[in-house]
Amino acid sequence: GQQVMQIPQYQHVQEGEDFTTYCNSSTTLSNIQWYKQRPGGHPVFLIQLVKSGEVKKQKRLTFQFGEAKKNSSLHITATQTTDVGTYFCAGPGSGAGSYQLTFGKGTKLSVIP
Amino acid sequence: KAGVTQTPRYLIKTRGQQVTLSCSPISGHRSVSWYQQTPGQGLQFLFEYFSETQRNKGNFPGRFSGRQFSNSRSEMNVSTLELGDSALYLCASSLVDSGSPLHFGNGTRLTVT
Repeated sequence: GQQVMQIPQYQHVQEGEDFTTYCNSSTTLSNIQWYKQRPGGHPVFLIQLVKSGEVKKQKRLTFQFGEAKKNSSLHITATQTTDVGTYFCAGPGSGAGSYQLTFGKGTKLSVIP
Repeated sequence: KAGVTQTPRYLIKTRGQQVTLSCSPISGHRSVSWYQQTPGQGLQFLFEYFSETQRNKGNFPGRFSGRQFSNSRSEMNVSTLELGDSALYLCASSLVDSGSPLHFGNGTRLTVT
């Protein structure tokens, strides 16, 4: 079945440093989504990328979808303590599995003030 | 607009018992998905329902079941509980289309002793 892999699993950064998490799918995706889960909270949708090579920005966050639509990245510039949490990428299956969103295991970000 | 509501928030059950969890989606959302979240396995897809029909099912034993009612509310049931079923169970709702962003509830924390 479809697999979505994320690296790194953990990342500790000093406040002000940049952070990047990478996501790879075993299959071509129709779209990829990113979610953030704060400690003790639930995943919250951040963004959806649909087009090959698409790049979207949300303030200090930059999301990129690969040309082959099998990989994606999230880059945070100048991290802040409010960025702490686990970042997940997720992609839908294809065909009969298209209503199933498969999540990567996430990258847990810690920011040291 | 009210978010996704899950009840109860916390449950403690004994091995061998059964449990029913409830989820009320965002008004207008007709798709409901369930996920199991554990520290080791991350977010694992359980099943997805739309218009009272299960469209996708994850790789979980038959002890895990669910249903959706005509008002889009959903329940999931776990029978013959095992210690390994201890997890955060998250419900998420979305619009019709496959790959639509998910809106998660706060989850039900199930502890099996």
